[in-house]
Amino acid sequence: NAGVTQTPKFRVLKTGQSMTLLCAQDMNHEYMYWYRQDPGMGLRLIHYSVGEGTTAKGEVPDGYNVSRLKKQNFLLGLESAAPSQTSVYFCASSYDRVYTGELFFGEGSRLTVL
Amino acid sequence: ILNVEQSPQSLHVQEGDSTNFTCSFPSSNFYALHWYRWETAKSPEALFVMTLNGDEKKKGRISATLNTKEGYSYLYIKGSQPEDSATYLCAFPYNQGGKLIFGQGTELSVKP
Repeated sequence: NAGVTQTPKFRVLKTGQSMTLLCAQDMNHEYMYWYRQDPGMGLRLIHYSVGEGTTAKGEVPDGYNVSRLKKQNFLLGLESAAPSQTSVYFCASSYDRVYTGELFFGEGSRLTVL
Repeated sequence: ILNVEQSPQSLHVQEGDSTNFTCSFPSSNFYALHWYRWETAKSPEALFVMTLNGDEKKKGRISATLNTKEGYSYLYIKGSQPEDSATYLCAFPYNQGGKLIFGQGTELSVKP
């Protein structure tokens, strides 16, 4: 049972470099989310998607872009990485809307921007 | 952005103690309240999704209550065990879509 899989698990970038984090889920979930976790800040929502081809901004969307071309995948892109984007990124998915559906999380991706 | 607050920030108890913590959320436009358990070096796992005022849910020694009119939920752990040590998060939907906002969590440490 793969569930929610994130790649890569670890990455070190230099300021200004770009990269993409991939989230894949095999549960046929409609809803997918990207959160970042920073010490003392809890989980903050970056972007989310309520279905294939849709995306929406969360609490902290600046500096990130997302795409949901296929239902099972949700990509998070950093076009020009900054040290402030050093964080642990979590992807999650849910079958139903958040007023009935629980979130299933991936294992996290640790990103360091030097 | 609405405010989801959890208290206390951290809690240290002895094995066998019962404990509880609070999640406060805006009482207007209520959709649901989620509770998650997050062990160190793992991913958050759902405990409960609560939708009705007065709702009470239970999973083993962990239970939760919900008061949507006054905007709070309590999580109770009966007879804490060291394996209960984790951060407990609550989350509140900002809208009917996917904007689920998390509180900062309560970090529970249970000493043997």
